[in-house]
Formats: sequence, structure tokens, C-alpha cells
Amino acid sequence: GNSVTQMEGPVTLSEEAFLTINCTYTATGYPSLFWYVQYPGEGLQLLLKATKADDKGSNKGFEATYRKETTSFHLEKGSVQVSDSAVYFCALSPIYGSSNTGKLIFGQGTTLQVKP
Amino acid sequence: EAQVTQNPRYLITVTGKKLTVTCSQNMNHEYMSWYRQDPGLGLRQIYYSMNVEVTDKGDVPEGYKVSRKEKRNFPLILESPSPNQTSLYFCASSFRLAGDRAGANVLTFGAGSRLTVL
Repeated sequence: GNSVTQMEGPVTLSEEAFLTINCTYTATGYPSLFWYVQYPGEGLQLLLKATKADDKGSNKGFEATYRKETTSFHLEKGSVQVSDSAVYFCALSPIYGSSNTGKLIFGQGTTLQVKP
Repeated sequence: EAQVTQNPRYLITVTGKKLTVTCSQNMNHEYMSWYRQDPGLGLRQIYYSMNVEVTDKGDVPEGYKVSRKEKRNFPLILESPSPNQTSLYFCASSFRLAGDRAGANVLTFGAGSRLTVL
């Protein structure tokens, strides 16, 4: 079946440190991949996405590359800020033949804490 | 402002007392969905709707009902809530764009409704 696995949190970093949050997936075919971010007290927001192998999604200094050979979509940022503190969710959109139910399969979420 | 609005944001209730969580979107989205978020489990889909009068079960539909009588509204109904339905609930919506499978899944989420069933 389809599933997403993220690294356990919380991840605690100092400001300006390098960030990696690992995400691997299991899916049939070529799903689309996403990172969503949830700031405290808010709903999830799309951070970036990639729709095919070797695509790189990027936004607000965050990047993730769709690696089909390793079934991974790791999130990276070169220099984190306190304002990046949030919960990050990796997700995939399964492809069911020609239909698209719109469902996203989410990982369990990784909490990032950035200290000044 | 384009948004998904959920109400109530917080609710404490007792076992068996019917409740409804409302969800409304102002973006003319065809697709709407409900998720629940639980620690260590991420978000799991409860129900979804492709359009007016078209709804279907997600991964964890037991104990929930939905309806889609109007395009903008997609209420979640708990007929007889139980403590295992204590959770954080999110409504989400999106367009369905033919030929753009990723575009159909860029969800706009509401702010969430935290439900506690005693």
C-alpha cells in the first residue's frame, strides 16, 4: 500500500544551522510528493511539491528533490530561523489509474524547534 | 480573503451527544475533505467529496457522517461521539484540474477544530 515515513522529532537546532528532515515513501507508480508546514495554532500550508522523479521543489529557502531510486523526498534548508519552528509533514498523492481521489497520505509529522 | 473556515475551533463534549463541525470555503473548490490529526499518526482522511452530492469514505470513516448539499459547505457530523474521537480535525479543499494531478491535491486547510469527548 501507500505510506510515508518521516524521521522522529522533535528536531532542535540553533539559528542558522543546516536542516534535514528525512522522508521516505512507499507507493505504486509515480505519486506526487509534498511538504506541508503547520505553524502553532494554524492549519497546514503547502511548502513545496514535486510531481515527477528528479524534480526539485523549493520555497522560502527550503528544498526537496524527488528521488525515485531511493523513494525519498528529504527536506533541507541551509540556514534555519526561529520563525521556521513548526511541524513539517511529508505527503504523497497516490495515483489510482486515471482517477484522482484527491487524497493525500501523510507522514506522522516532524516538529522543528529553532533556538536563537 | 481565500480561506477555509471551520467552527467550532474548540469543543468539549460528552459521550453520545451529537455534534456537527461546520466547514465552509469561499474559493469555489469542487473537492473537499476531512482529516483527523493524532500524535504519531499524522493526518488521516475521514471522508471526502468530489462535488455537490458526491461523497465517499476515506481511511477512517467509522463514527462519522458528512453531507455536501452546497458546493461551499461540507459539515462533519458525529452522531454519537466517543472518547476515541478526541482529536484535532481539519477540513481542506482544492480545485480538481483535469490533466494536472498535482494541482488537484494542493489542499487549502482550515485552522482546525480541537474536539474532546469525555
